[in-house]
Amino acid sequence: DAGVTQSPTHLIKTRGQQVTLRCSPKSGHDTVSWYQQALGQGPQFIFQYYEEEERQRGNFPDRFSGHQFPNYSSELNVNALLLGDSALYLCASSSPLGKRSYNEQFFGPGTRLTVL
Amino acid sequence: AQTVTQSQPEMSVQEAETVTLSCTYDTSENNYYLFWYKQPPSRQMILVIRQEAYKQQNATENRFSVNFQKAAKSFSLKISDSQLGDTAMYFCALTNAGNNRKLIWGLGTSLAVNP
Repeated sequence: DAGVTQSPTHLIKTRGQQVTLRCSPKSGHDTVSWYQQALGQGPQFIFQYYEEEERQRGNFPDRFSGHQFPNYSSELNVNALLLGDSALYLCASSSPLGKRSYNEQFFGPGTRLTVL
Repeated sequence: AQTVTQSQPEMSVQEAETVTLSCTYDTSENNYYLFWYKQPPSRQMILVIRQEAYKQQNATENRFSVNFQKAAKSFSLKISDSQLGDTAMYFCALTNAGNNRKLIWGLGTSLAVNP
């Protein structure tokens, strides 16, 4: 099992550009969450996808959008990049809840985005 | 609103010694989970230990244990017999039960284990 994978590892963009980050969840997982982690900060929740729909959203502008595909993989898109969007973007996946009240979120290694 | 506070930006400990990292939180929910995650320089966020709020017994995972004080909304992590590989950022996080709810994170504590 490859675990959660993310691509690319690093990315450099300039202000105003658009970027797409990709995430493949752990085998058997159907829920994908995205987090933004600025340097020296804790992660901030962006949104969560389940059954190809956005289920929850954090306090991020509409420039941040996402998608989940039938194979449960997910994309995070950011339009009109700002310098402040420079951060580590983490993807986490989790399995169906079933009868449990919480399932562990497994994290990928992240994509480091630098906006110049 | 839910919040998580870690008041120790940096800590250090000698190898084989014991260290305790502090975390306080605020939530109006009755059923929630608390976590300690480790993020080494490789950036991979790794779950260290989990505590379910309705369980009074403190969670333990090998050298890692927690002191969960529900009334005080305190959730500290104790690392015994510290090892060089324990050097990392440690994050305290909170989530409500059900539907894979979002994680609310503290700012983290940078732990250095010295030889």
